[in-house]
Amino acid sequence: DTGVSQDPRHKITKRGQNVTFRCDPISEHNRLYWYRQTLGQGPEFLTYFQNEAQLEKSRLLSDRFSAERPKGSFSTLEIQRTEQGDSAMYLCASSFRGVGPGELFFGEGSRLTVL
Amino acid sequence: AQSVTQLGSHVSVSEGALVLLRCNYSSSVPPYLFWYVQYPNQGLQLLLKYTSAATLVKGINGFEAEFKKSETSFHLTKPSAHMSDAAEYFCAVSDLQGGNEKLTFGTGTRLTIIP
Repeated sequence: DTGVSQDPRHKITKRGQNVTFRCDPISEHNRLYWYRQTLGQGPEFLTYFQNEAQLEKSRLLSDRFSAERPKGSFSTLEIQRTEQGDSAMYLCASSFRGVGPGELFFGEGSRLTVL
Repeated sequence: AQSVTQLGSHVSVSEGALVLLRCNYSSSVPPYLFWYVQYPNQGLQLLLKYTSAATLVKGINGFEAEFKKSETSFHLTKPSAHMSDAAEYFCAVSDLQGGNEKLTFGTGTRLTIIP
């Protein structure tokens, strides 16, 4: 399967612990996005990379959140000192510049539950 | 800032009946508009998009949407619902000011098909 893959699919953690999610985009895609989706809401933009450069961060991304995309390939999203409000589905998407606006390819998401 | 509003968080239609999912947008510039579908336990998938070409856009699985500037709407329709259409549908608008394909999503509409 050559789609966007995310790992782990589910993570249960205790408040205060750190968690890290990984996203492997479609191999030729140079753009990578992280979104967060809570119950009953649409996905909310968190951050965006073009190759290895993080070009935009949402105000939703507090100091406890950090994302990286070393070498412009896979990306990680780390949440430090998790809070119950961080419980959500974290979605990764990728795209290739030139395909067309809005044509993001999404992974199945990583669901975080903070107890 | 651009935004979309989806009217009706839940819509139920009988199999074979018309599907109509409503989306209104707000944008200070000509928008790029999208519909994404999310089947259970799957990632978001692009259904169709409007990028200022034809106002009537045809997508996958028999869906189509019409861009109406005068009504600031981009409603999704399908003439005859099928059981496999049961899913959550998201309308989205693209913010191209930053040169990326960042999407702003609506809150979603869950479509239930009644046998």
